[in-house]
Amino acid sequence: ETGVTQSPTHLIKTRGQQVTLRCSSQSGHNTVSWYQQALGQGPQFIFQYYREEENGRGNFPPRFSGLQFPNYSSELNVNALELDDSALYLCASSLLVGGRYSGNTIYFGEGSWLTVV
Amino acid sequence: DAKTTQPPSMDCAEGRAANLPCNHSTISGNEYVYWYRQIHSQGPQYIIHGLKNNETNEMASLIITEDRKSSTLILPHATLRDTAVYYCIVRVVNYGGSQGNLIFGKGTKLSVKP
Repeated sequence: ETGVTQSPTHLIKTRGQQVTLRCSSQSGHNTVSWYQQALGQGPQFIFQYYREEENGRGNFPPRFSGLQFPNYSSELNVNALELDDSALYLCASSLLVGGRYSGNTIYFGEGSWLTVV
Repeated sequence: DAKTTQPPSMDCAEGRAANLPCNHSTISGNEYVYWYRQIHSQGPQYIIHGLKNNETNEMASLIITEDRKSSTLILPHATLRDTAVYYCIVRVVNYGGSQGNLIFGKGTKLSVKP
């Protein structure tokens, strides 16, 4: 148990629709990152939120967006879903101190499986 | 791109030590070596990390060479439940933003056999 919880665990959407995935970070952590893992691949970094602002982004288009709330929980929103968006979406939490990691560990949730048909 | 190289697969007999190698020849002085594993359809599980000294915890030991260009993760007594994909990752520390995040490669699929 990492204390990082995600919902929903599985969902099916139709191409063109929008989806919102949710994440609660581990107690004491102030930073949330999102990763996408396609079948047979390693997780790919989407973006990170710190102090309710995006604080780093990977190579993903703007239709991938997010939010972080004052309690450090986070949402991942994906608009105009495409078939290739079918994947496991992972949330990870960590602690930034003064904006720096200082070697702290990143802990992952169990993920949300998204299927786009 | 991932900065590490790992064998795609390894087998290990149950009860024996599993030694998983990782090459990170371009590692920088401010990068730690992290190991995660992922059991099928679950989120990655943190195992251990280190900078330059060998590290040990309740799950595993991490041996880093003196030049820091390679490392070995050791599971001392592998069980069937250790069957998973193991990822070796180098990660910048003391830095915020995307450079502090994890860049996963394809990892090593470890199969522990009875």
